[in-house]
Amino acid sequence: GQNIDQPTEMTATEGAIVQINCTYQTSGFNGLFWYQQHAGEAPTFLSYNVLDGLEEKGRFSSFLSRSKGYSYLLLKELQMKDSASYLCAVRKTQAGTALIFGKGTTLSVSS
Amino acid sequence: ETGVTQSPTHLIKTRGQQVTLRCSSQSGHNTVSWYQQALGQGPQFIFQYYREEENGRGNFPPRFSGLQFPNYSSELNVNALELDDSALYLCASSLDGQVSMNTEAFFGQGTRLTVV
Repeated sequence: GQNIDQPTEMTATEGAIVQINCTYQTSGFNGLFWYQQHAGEAPTFLSYNVLDGLEEKGRFSSFLSRSKGYSYLLLKELQMKDSASYLCAVRKTQAGTALIFGKGTTLSVSS
Repeated sequence: ETGVTQSPTHLIKTRGQQVTLRCSSQSGHNTVSWYQQALGQGPQFIFQYYREEENGRGNFPPRFSGLQFPNYSSELNVNALELDDSALYLCASSLDGQVSMNTEAFFGQGTRLTVV
């Protein structure tokens, strides 16, 4: 079966650093994606990892360990606008870019 | 803006009815995927179309069906609507040639379907 786990909720303050973890168990693996979704809006792409290691993109970084079935999204210098749901998704090898999503982590940033 | 447009944005239907949702993919994209997102949940994969052929399906019953047209736009049809079908339906388009490509999926704003 397919199983992707991430924390339901996290809170942090402006300017801080937060790490959102994701563990996965899937029958196939062809990349892991992180998406950001503000309430009532479409998910927007943040990062992609297919090899082990860290991918950095401005204030956002994503890490992958395939042997551990583990990824994290690191957000630095948090801003109020970063309050959103963060979705971890694994791409299935058998169906192109079809993604298996976790339930999402709701991040609340306070001043 | 991603260039992926969905219509309608909101829809209310009665249990037992049929509904058609539409998606125009981003220019140049040949693959469309449909997802169902219930409140407080992550999107669930329904199916994917690549060059007008179904190219993968999630765990949804046959009353969920789809089409992709030569211009790569797509429709999602749901028959015999049930109350649990109430959700946000998301369409995502991408350019696929090989599974190994980093083909980012761009999502539309979604259609909010309410079944009463």
